[in-house]
Amino acid sequence: DIVLTQSPGTLSLSPGERATLSCRASQSVRYSDLAWYQQKPGQAPRLLIYGASSRATGIPDRFSGSGSGTDFTLTISRLEPEDFAVYYCQQSERSPWTFGQGTKVEVK
Amino acid sequence: QVTLKESGPVLVKPTEILTLTCTVSGFSLTNARMGVTWIRQPPGKALEWLAHILSNDEKSYNTSLKNRLTISKDTSKSQVFLVMTNLDPLDTATYYCARLYDSGWSATFDVWGQGTMVTVSS
Repeated sequence: DIVLTQSPGTLSLSPGERATLSCRASQSVRYSDLAWYQQKPGQAPRLLIYGASSRATGIPDRFSGSGSGTDFTLTISRLEPEDFAVYYCQQSERSPWTFGQGTKVEVK
Repeated sequence: QVTLKESGPVLVKPTEILTLTCTVSGFSLTNARMGVTWIRQPPGKALEWLAHILSNDEKSYNTSLKNRLTISKDTSKSQVFLVMTNLDPLDTATYYCARLYDSGWSATFDVWGQGTMVTVSS
């Protein structure tokens, strides 16, 4: 199985700051097969980024994704109050499709 | 508007069988680029992909569930089903269905249901 390791586990930041989230894969993943999801408490996850760097419909441009191979990054350029949530990376390169364990972005 | 809604029992006893239903609207289960996936999330834990079914009825399963899963669909009713056998308290989780959209370049879970919480307990 492809294991996705996200770091850090928790990111404590203030609104307006920049957030950088990492997702490292145990095997190479095609960039087209890497996505990021946002989950707020009590809600279903929401697709943010697909194909490593393409924003999903309606996602603000403060969210950006990058990376290739085994290292991928989600960046939030300036945190808004509604961005404090848990973020998951996910790969569809190889079955079983897997998620990372999540990074929680919390208010400092 | 695309929506998905999960339904099923709230409480299941250990060793019993769980049947979940995902009712979709706003898209067709016969659309070549669409499928439906099931994902679960134990309380306070990460997401786990379980299975998906595509428009051509191709199915894929998370083999870590050791053949306990069966996914199927009824296109006339716009419903997708997930059957899980031999339930264990470790299967306690929120179960989500989501639309699987295959653009031909990437496959993503682009629309999610609200989830249904299932507790396994005697």
